[in-house]
Amino acid sequence: AQSVTQPDIHITVSEGASLELRCNYSYGATPYLFWYVQSPGQGLQLLLKYFSGDTLVQGIKGFEAEFKRSQSSFNLRKPSVHWSDAAEYFCAVVGLDQGGKLIFGQGTELSVKP
Amino acid sequence: DTAVSQTPKYLVTQMGNDKSIKCEQNLGHDTMYWYKQDSKKFLKIMFSYNNKELIINETVPNRFSPKSPDKAHLNLHINSLELGDSAVYFCASSQESLAVTFGSGTRLTVV
Repeated sequence: AQSVTQPDIHITVSEGASLELRCNYSYGATPYLFWYVQSPGQGLQLLLKYFSGDTLVQGIKGFEAEFKRSQSSFNLRKPSVHWSDAAEYFCAVVGLDQGGKLIFGQGTELSVKP
Repeated sequence: DTAVSQTPKYLVTQMGNDKSIKCEQNLGHDTMYWYKQDSKKFLKIMFSYNNKELIINETVPNRFSPKSPDKAHLNLHINSLELGDSAVYFCASSQESLAVTFGSGTRLTVV
């Protein structure tokens, strides 16, 4: 069965520091992968997606993610974190053979220290 | 604005009541969804409709009944609400099951 694991429940970084949020997936075929961000009390906003092609994908707000098939990973990175990046981040894989439903990881809460 | 909009944003109700959440998307997408986010922020799909046809029906109690009058609308009706139904419910839509766009959520509190 497909699954997504985000090993870090909570991460704290200093403003201006670099960030990497980890995501590992289990999926039999070529995965379609996503990162979403949820600010407090808000809905989910799509940061970036990977379908095929270049394994380094650029997203909004200065985020990027790298797909590594050999490691079944799709880690999210940002070179310099801003205080406004504090939010919950979700990695997800879409099950195309299951009606396109998104399967989410548990989420990583990001706190940013001034 | 092009978006997925759902109403109400907040819903507080007593156990045993029946309530509905409405959702509309003006993105021209062919697929709509309901997701539930529990108190631990875990997100799980409940239903999906493609062009008004039910595609996904996860193991959700029969008290939950989605209705899609047209491909731009997907409403969620909940009968006999229970304490455990308290959660945030997200409507969403996509085209050809890719790049799902979410609404801002409805926080349901059952007291």
